[in-house]
Amino acid sequence: DAGVTQSPTHLIKTRGQHVTLRCSPISGHKSVSWYQQVLGQGPQFIFQYYEKEERGRGNFPDRFSARQFPNYSSELNVNALLLGDSALYLCASSLAQGAYSFSYNEQFFGPGTRLTVL
Amino acid sequence: DQQVKQNSPSLSVQEGRISILNCDYTNSMFDYFLWYKKYPAEGPTFLISISSIKDKNEDGRFTVFLNKSAKHLSLHIVPSQPGDSAVYFCAASGNTGNQFYFGTGTSLTVIP
Repeated sequence: DAGVTQSPTHLIKTRGQHVTLRCSPISGHKSVSWYQQVLGQGPQFIFQYYEKEERGRGNFPDRFSARQFPNYSSELNVNALLLGDSALYLCASSLAQGAYSFSYNEQFFGPGTRLTVL
Repeated sequence: DQQVKQNSPSLSVQEGRISILNCDYTNSMFDYFLWYKKYPAEGPTFLISISSIKDKNEDGRFTVFLNKSAKHLSLHIVPSQPGDSAVYFCAASGNTGNQFYFGTGTSLTVIP
């Protein structure tokens, strides 16, 4: 079975540019979450989408946006890139969100997209 | 504000011995706790979880203990193997399950 896939694997941008990162969840998973992992830190929650609706948002500026498509894949967009946006961006999928059974919320991560902003 | 903390950035253990990784949290509303393992160039891999109604969950060589009054959880690996060498993250969420808070990770090295 295919796991969570993300593209591209690496990306180099310059300050002020825009970037779009893509994620395909595990087949059957309807929830996608995005995380930013800066070197030496744990993943920081950015967004969660479930059934194409935003269900959670972390403490990130409006330059960060996301969407989920009918096939449950997702895009993360970052505008006006700053040097501090350089990080590993992780996508995670799960069966559901807020379900009674916590096992439905277990998140499976992709390998991430390494973004470098120069 | 770091709601989940792992105060030991690294840990070295001899093969066959017990590894104990610790995690503290500040938010009493957290209901669900997980441990993830991460190898370089890969995303975190789910290892084991525990809900707040339990104080222990075991899966093979891995056991997670939860002390709600102390807001503390720990992961025990017995016996430790060289393949266990990785970065371990603990994470927590509330009962809505829509946002997970991660610690900063502990790098475990198991020495053969």
